Amino acid sequence: AQTVTQSQPEMSVQEAETVTLSCTYDTSESNYYLFWYKQPPSRQMILVIRQEAYKQQNATENRFSVNFQKAAKSFSLKISDSQLGDTAMYFCAFLSGNTPLVFGKGTRLSVIA
Amino acid sequence: NAGVTQTPKFRVLKTGQSMTLLCAQDMNHEYMYWYRQDPGMGLRLIHYSVGEGTTAKGEVPDGYNVSRLKKQNFLLGLESAAPSQTSVYFCASSYSFPGERDQPQHFGDGTRLSIL
Repeated sequence: AQTVTQSQPEMSVQEAETVTLSCTYDTSESNYYLFWYKQPPSRQMILVIRQEAYKQQNATENRFSVNFQKAAKSFSLKISDSQLGDTAMYFCAFLSGNTPLVFGKGTRLSVIA
Repeated sequence: NAGVTQTPKFRVLKTGQSMTLLCAQDMNHEYMYWYRQDPGMGLRLIHYSVGEGTTAKGEVPDGYNVSRLKKQNFLLGLESAAPSQTSVYFCASSYSFPGERDQPQHFGDGTRLSIL
C-alpha cells in the first residue's frame, strides 16, 4: 500500500519569505501522480500543484513550485514570497491508476506579518 | 456550477443514533469517495465507488456503510454512532482515478459531525 509522510506538523514563515514543506512517499508503482492541497480555515480542499511521475521537469504554479526527486521518493513544496493568505493546512497526496488519493497527515503553515 | 454538494453541513448526534450523510455530484463522475478528517491524521478514505451500484472499502471502513444506487449520489451511513466517529467528513468525485489535469478529485465542503 502507498504511504505518504509529512514530517513537519507545523511551520511558520515571515511574510514575503520562502518556505519549503516536505513530503516523502512509498510506492512500488512506476506511474503515479503527486499533489499538494491547501485547506484554509474554510475547510475547502484546494489543489495547489500537480506532478506526473513520468515528467522530470518540476511543476510550477506562480509562487508555488515543487522539488520532485523520484529516486528518493521526495516531493517538497516551495512557497515563494509568502502571503498571509497562504496560512492553511497543506496536504501532500499520492494517486496511482489503481487507487484513490492517499493523503499525508498535513503541515499547518502560519504566515506571520 | 454546484459540483459536489454535501448535506448536512453540521450535525450533532447522541451515541447509538443512526444517520445518513448525502453526497451529490452533477458532473456525471463515475468515481465517488468518502473521507474523514481528524486532527493530525489528514484525510483517510472510508469507502469509495467506481460506478453506480458498486462500493469498495477504504482505509477506515468499520462502523460505516455506503450505497451508490444512483450515479450522482453516494450515501454514507452510520448505523450506531460512536464518539470515535466525531470528525469532519468529506465527499469527493472524479471522472477516473487519475482524474482531470487540474482536479484529480472534486471535493465537497465537508460535514462536521459531533457524537456525544
